[in-house]
Amino acid sequence: DAGVIQSPRHEVTEMGQEVTLRCKPISGHNSLFWYRQTMMRGLELLIYFNNNVPIDDSGMPEDRFSAKMPNASFSTLKIQPSEPRDSAVYFCASSSPGRGGNLVSGANVLTFGAGSRLTVL
Amino acid sequence: AQSVTQLGSHVSVSEGALVLLRCNYSSSVPPYLFWYVQYPNQGLQLLLKYTSAATLVKGINGFEAEFKKSETSFHLTKPSAHMSDAAEYFCAVSSGSARQLTFGSGTQLTVLP
Repeated sequence: DAGVIQSPRHEVTEMGQEVTLRCKPISGHNSLFWYRQTMMRGLELLIYFNNNVPIDDSGMPEDRFSAKMPNASFSTLKIQPSEPRDSAVYFCASSSPGRGGNLVSGANVLTFGAGSRLTVL
Repeated sequence: AQSVTQLGSHVSVSEGALVLLRCNYSSSVPPYLFWYVQYPNQGLQLLLKYTSAATLVKGINGFEAEFKKSETSFHLTKPSAHMSDAAEYFCAVSSGSARQLTFGSGTQLTVLP
């Protein structure tokens, strides 16, 4: 298995531009998470999906951020318009179903992608 | 509500010395606890997890952690540090049916030759 695949690995853009980050979860995993990592705030959960449905987006900082999961093998995180304070490493992670199939379990392990490093000038 | 506190943002040990990374948690229900490691320019990888079975959990690369309910702690140890252990280590807690992990702020481990 190739693991969780994120693209691009690095993105440098100018303030005001639209940024789209992409994620392909591990096949068979039914939960997908978007995290943001910064020196100041550490790892923050932005949003997570279960069976392609957004479950909790309370971590999304503001309306400039949006995330979609059109199918089980693809998700995007979009920032429009981008601002310098959005500069961070964005991680996608996925996990497999808990016991009983769709049962949500806190015991399940997340597999992380390598991250997308975003720099907004 | 759940939270994790990692004591010490930076820890330095000599090669061959004991590694001890501290983690205390807060949870209103029995927790699931995890240690993840992040090498430079990589994502997080699971080291080990506690899910209410044995309180002493063994992970990869010779690491282990002990769940102590009375101390609300889940400290990570390794008897003998190796240069390749240099990385950032994150403790995380998940409670009940929540599928959300709450991460600590991380501890950067430096291994000195």
